[in-house]
Amino acid sequence: NAGVMQNPRHLVRRRGQEARLRCSPMKGHSHVYWYRQLPEEGLKFMVYLQKENIIDESGMPKERFSAEFPKEGPSILRIQQVVRGDSAAYFCASSPLGGGNTEAFFGQGTRLTVV
Amino acid sequence: DQQVKQNSPSLSVQEGRISILNCDYTNSMFDYFLWYKKYPAEGPTFLISISSIKDKNEDGRFTVFLNKSAKHLSLHIVPSQPGDSAVYFCAASGRGSGGGADGLTFGKGTHLIIQP
Repeated sequence: NAGVMQNPRHLVRRRGQEARLRCSPMKGHSHVYWYRQLPEEGLKFMVYLQKENIIDESGMPKERFSAEFPKEGPSILRIQQVVRGDSAAYFCASSPLGGGNTEAFFGQGTRLTVV
Repeated sequence: DQQVKQNSPSLSVQEGRISILNCDYTNSMFDYFLWYKKYPAEGPTFLISISSIKDKNEDGRFTVFLNKSAKHLSLHIVPSQPGDSAVYFCAASGRGSGGGADGLTFGKGTHLIIQP
């Protein structure tokens, strides 16, 4: 049973380019979360999605960032016009249930470097 | 404002002894707490969790204690093994807690080093 799959593992973008991060949840999981970890920091919640729905995006920056979880295919976190401050590790997690009182399973992360 | 605090950035423990990692929280809406372990360049791995209706949960070498009145939880690892060397994150969730409807609020982590 494959775990949460994220790709790419490493992504380098020049300032102003777009970054697309993909996440395939564990089989049977319909709840996906995205987190960002800056250096020397804990993980910060960004967005919570179910299939075709954004449930909570309260942690997502208002501009340049968007997320989707289509009916078919992986969840995508999209960052437009990247800036140096977007450099971070982005982790996706999935769970079989929502509601918060359940453990989430994390992918290995995508390390975004903006040069 | 840090709602989940891990005040020790690092902790060094001898192999075979007990490791105690601490975590404090400020948001009284949190009702579920989790510990994750993370190796470099990998994602966090779930270790153990506890609901606010309990004060202790045990799983093998890992025990989590919750003191709601003090808004404090701790993770005990006994005996500590070399493979336990990693960064440990405390996380919390709860309806209306502000961490995203069902998202987790993480502490900054404690780097546990097990010395032979």
